[in-house]
Amino acid sequence: DVKVTQSSRYLVKRTGEKVFLECVQDMDHENMFWYRQDPGLGLRLIYFSYDVKMKEKGDIPEGYSVSREKKERFSLILESASTNQTSMYLCASSLWLAGEGETQYFGPGTRLLVL
Amino acid sequence: AQSVTQLDSQVPVFEEAPVELRCNYSSSVSVYLFWYVQYPNQGLQLLLKYLSGSTLVESINGFEAEFNKSQTSFHLRKPSVHISDTAEYFCAVSVNTGNQFYFGTGTSLTVIP
Repeated sequence: DVKVTQSSRYLVKRTGEKVFLECVQDMDHENMFWYRQDPGLGLRLIYFSYDVKMKEKGDIPEGYSVSREKKERFSLILESASTNQTSMYLCASSLWLAGEGETQYFGPGTRLLVL
Repeated sequence: AQSVTQLDSQVPVFEEAPVELRCNYSSSVSVYLFWYVQYPNQGLQLLLKYLSGSTLVESINGFEAEFNKSQTSFHLRKPSVHISDTAEYFCAVSVNTGNQFYFGTGTSLTVIP
C-alpha cells in the first residue's frame, strides 16, 4: 500500500512565524501535491511537483513556497503565516500510468491554526 | 477545460436507507473517474475508480458508481447506509493525456440514526 505521511496532525502558530509542513511518500512516485481544504471550497491546489527540484504553481500559490530536494519528500513553507492561512493542509502523491491515468494518494492532513 | 460538479453539498439520510451522491464532469478528452472518501479529521482515501470496461464499479464497503458517458455522470450509490458512512465524499477526474487531476467540491453525507 502507498503510504503518505505528514509531519504533524495539528499545528498552532503565531502570525508572522515561518511554518514548515513536511510530507513523505514511500512509493517512489514522481508527482507530489499540496492542497488546502476549507469548508465549502473543497480542495484547492497550492503547488505541485513532477520531479526532484521541480515545482509548479497551482491555483492559490500566494503566501506559500515549496521545496523538493528528494523524490520522496515535498515540503510546504509558509514564509510569514497569516490568520487566513488557518486551514487543513493535505499532501498527495501520484504516478501516472498509461491505461490507468493518475491516482492520487493522500496523507492524513495537517490542521493548522494561525493565531 | 475539465471540471467536476457535485450537485449536492450536503446529503442527510436515515440509517439503512439508500443514497445517491451525484457527480457530473465536463471534458473534451477521455477521462478516468474516481470517488474519494474523507472521514472526520482524516485525509482522503480512494473509494473506487473507473478506468475502462464495465461501467459499474464497486467498492469493498458496498458503494457502487456507474459511468454514464452520454450524461457525463459518475454518481455514487449505496442501497443501505450505515452510521459509519458519515463522511465527506469527493468526485474526481484524471485526464487521459496525463498529469491533470480535478476534484469536485465535495458532498457531506450525514447518516441519521
